[in-house]
Amino acid sequence: AQSVTQLDSQVPVFEEAPVELRCNYSSSVSVYLFWYVQYPNQGLQLLLKYLSGSTLVKGINGFEAEFNKSQTSFHLRKPSVHISDTAEYFCAVSDRGEYGNKLVFGAGTILRVKS
Amino acid sequence: ETGVTQTPRHLVMGMTNKKSLKCEQHLGHNAMYWYKQSAKKPLELMFVYSLEERVENNSVPSRFSPECPNSSHLFLHLHTLQPEDSALYLCASSQETGVNYEQYFGPGTRLTVT
Repeated sequence: AQSVTQLDSQVPVFEEAPVELRCNYSSSVSVYLFWYVQYPNQGLQLLLKYLSGSTLVKGINGFEAEFNKSQTSFHLRKPSVHISDTAEYFCAVSDRGEYGNKLVFGAGTILRVKS
Repeated sequence: ETGVTQTPRHLVMGMTNKKSLKCEQHLGHNAMYWYKQSAKKPLELMFVYSLEERVENNSVPSRFSPECPNSSHLFLHLHTLQPEDSALYLCASSQETGVNYEQYFGPGTRLTVT
């Protein structure tokens, strides 16, 4: 079964600085990869996904992620963060379930943007 | 209402109570999910329904009982819960099952078991 490791539980960063949130998954077999964001008191919202094709994926709100098969990583990046990016970010990978593929989530990384 | 709604948003219940969580999706989707989100732990998939039939049950204790009367509504019936069941319960829906279909999440129900 797949597992997802988000290496940092919290990442503090100043406004307008770049940020990278790290994500590694356990298996190098063909996978789909996702990043979700959760703002306070809200559900999860899809930021971006990798299904196939280009390894650099662009998402909403200026975020992008790069799929690296050899390192089994899918790190999330933003060149310049805003206060409004403060939220919890979840990396997820597809895995085989009884009915077909399902999502396995990491424990989350809290991004705190400071002014 | 748009998207996925959940009621109540907060619930406090004793270990001997019976309560239900409600989820409604206004997106015309065919698949619905219950997840449990505990502090410092990954999101856990509990149940999956496709076209109102349960297709996955991830070894969830029987004190949690799901019900999907139609493709727009999903319930989670709770009885004789334990304090460790305190968590945020998230409902999600998607057009079909399968990870290439985006899951849309509701805001969750914050459950506290006393």
